[in-house]
Amino acid sequence: QQQVRQSPQSLTVWEGETAILNCSYEDSTFNYFPWYQQFPGEGPALLISIRSVSDKKEDGRFTIFFNKREKKLSLHITDSQPGDSATYFCAASEDNYAQGLTFGLGTRVSVFP
Amino acid sequence: AQTIHQWPVAEIKAVGSPLSLGCTIKGKSSPNLYWYWQATGGTLQQLFYSITVGQVESVVQLNLSASRPKDDQFILSTEKLLLSHSGFYLCAWSLRGTSAETLYFGSGTRLTVL
Repeated sequence: QQQVRQSPQSLTVWEGETAILNCSYEDSTFNYFPWYQQFPGEGPALLISIRSVSDKKEDGRFTIFFNKREKKLSLHITDSQPGDSATYFCAASEDNYAQGLTFGLGTRVSVFP
Repeated sequence: AQTIHQWPVAEIKAVGSPLSLGCTIKGKSSPNLYWYWQATGGTLQQLFYSITVGQVESVVQLNLSASRPKDDQFILSTEKLLLSHSGFYLCAWSLRGTSAETLYFGSGTRLTVL
């Protein structure tokens, strides 16, 4: 059973539009949620993250909205740029958990000029 | 600055042949180390993690093994490759003794098993 679910599987937006990526999770012990960005042929890199004590985290054009009660979060990419075209992974872990992150299946975003 | 180096960049191997992939982290003392596997277009599946030299924990059984012979080195291996082993292998590190809040990934090894 997938512990971290993402939707949609792929998303196409025009340059300047807002892309919205969704993520949900099963395990109530998860309290840390990073988003990773991966370009083809490269390893993923941390983009932005949020803890369950917050309901919003913003970093430039990237914003995470978090709903603990519903176990859902979303990543908003405003003013999308062609350089944002990549696969975005939602991940989750417990606090003080060195064992690693659980990743979703990813959302492939394509931004057309 | 911390650097993570994975080798080789790519491998093409025959079914039943042995495999050894490596990863070295420089500039960080006693990091937590991880191996992840990614099928083409797929998610990142954690395989192993290690908190200290000589200790490796398996997360999923895929007929692979891992070892940490040195503080800055993590090795992934198998005696006999299967077709299902094809994919992208990623080594990652996080700060020692903390939660895996930020994983820093290497550039990966692309493995094709024929």
